[in-house]
Amino acid sequence: QSVLTQPPSASGTPGQRVTISCSGSSSNIGSNTVNWYQQLPGAAPKLLIYSNNQRPSGVPDRFSGSKSGTSASLAISGLQSEDEADYYCAAWDDSLNWVFGGGTKLTVL
Amino acid sequence: QVQLVQSGSELKLPGASVKVSCKASGYTFSSYSMNWVRQAPGQGLQWMGWISTNTGNPGNPTYVQGFTGRFVFSLDTSVTTAYLQISSLKAEDTAMYYCARAVPYGDGDAFDIWGQGTMVTVSS
Repeated sequence: QSVLTQPPSASGTPGQRVTISCSGSSSNIGSNTVNWYQQLPGAAPKLLIYSNNQRPSGVPDRFSGSKSGTSASLAISGLQSEDEADYYCAAWDDSLNWVFGGGTKLTVL
Repeated sequence: QVQLVQSGSELKLPGASVKVSCKASGYTFSSYSMNWVRQAPGQGLQWMGWISTNTGNPGNPTYVQGFTGRFVFSLDTSVTTAYLQISSLKAEDTAMYYCARAVPYGDGDAFDIWGQGTMVTVSS
């Protein structure tokens, strides 16, 4: 059982906007920043969003992140077929651990 | 370019040991800690712990609960390589193991570079 809670699946059609939620607690999301990782099929995870809402160089601005209290969200606008992947949220926990969400499998219909 | 290249897949018998390597290149190895992340088949990501690569205090690994005793993180700074050794392997150790560099990003840290993963299969 993961410390951060994500929906197991999400879906959308090309061009649509989808959001993925991530719920935590005061010891992790509530007091530290949230990162998001994208894992394409058969590949290693890739940093998608850091510090709640910042995109590393090369990540399209279709991807955006937000945080409020003990929850965070990843939004993908203008959905494309190549966005089909697993998405993980992560945060540092004050118990001195990195914690991850269980992952959300995004399907582009 | 900045990259982490891991050793190849391993098939081991229960009770055996395995040592996974993670070769860093394209950056100053001692500048960023090395982390290890496990992903069991069909499952999510699980942080195993980290090891400092700082030249002033290399080593000094930290293990998450559940990864103590049989799991050992080590370094060979002369070849900019981190290692994960697992002893007394069990079937439940079957997983993909990733090394990942942790870098200060914004107001926190993030794993910005990942190895390609090493699949360890434990089976008789």
